[in-house]
Amino acid sequence: GAVVSQHPSRVICKSGTSVKIECRSLDFQATTMFWYRQFPKQSLMLMATSNEGSKATYEQGVEKDKFLINHASLTLSTLTVTSAHPEDSSFYICSARDRTSGGANEQFFGPGTRLTVL
Amino acid sequence: AQSVTQPDIHITVSEGASLELRCNYSYGATPYLFWYVQSPGQGLQLLLKYFSGDTLVQGIKGFEAEFKRSQSSFNLRKPSVHWSDAAEYFCAVGANFGNEKLTFGTGTRLTIIP
Repeated sequence: GAVVSQHPSRVICKSGTSVKIECRSLDFQATTMFWYRQFPKQSLMLMATSNEGSKATYEQGVEKDKFLINHASLTLSTLTVTSAHPEDSSFYICSARDRTSGGANEQFFGPGTRLTVL
Repeated sequence: AQSVTQPDIHITVSEGASLELRCNYSYGATPYLFWYVQSPGQGLQLLLKYFSGDTLVQGIKGFEAEFKRSQSSFNLRKPSVHWSDAAEYFCAVGANFGNEKLTFGTGTRLTIIP
């Protein structure tokens, strides 16, 4: 149980285009999903917290107009990188919190999406 | 604000040797603590977690960790490493309520030599 998927696993796009990344909780409902960015050989940096049915909460320094997050259902959150540029190239990882976990703050992670902007 | 320190950026051990990865945290209350492992190009897999109770927690793949409140530490151990343990290891701390975010350490890269 507690499986999180991401699609696509790898995407290459041209500069100026937009890219959408999907994060799905496959066997549980997630009221909260988290989006992280990871640069090569570095740790995960939280970009935003996505709550079902409400606006995402962005971390300081993350451009909300550039990284659009939608959490339309209890099993799906999407991250859209708008007008992508080469500096947006990175590994994007999502995680989801099981709504039935009560006070436990355990997150389940997706396999990540490698974005390359040419 | 919560924070996590993993003082060892890179550790090399021989296959079959014991392993200890260090993790120190800063948090104002009782934390939730996690160890994750990441293989190259992959997502994170949970090794083990501490929420409460017994301070020595057992995880998958033969790993264990001990929560020491007095030292603000949550070190990861394995008595005998296997070549497949080579990966990046992340310690993380989170609040024990609500939808609080996890804060990750900078990671320790583990290399196994034959």
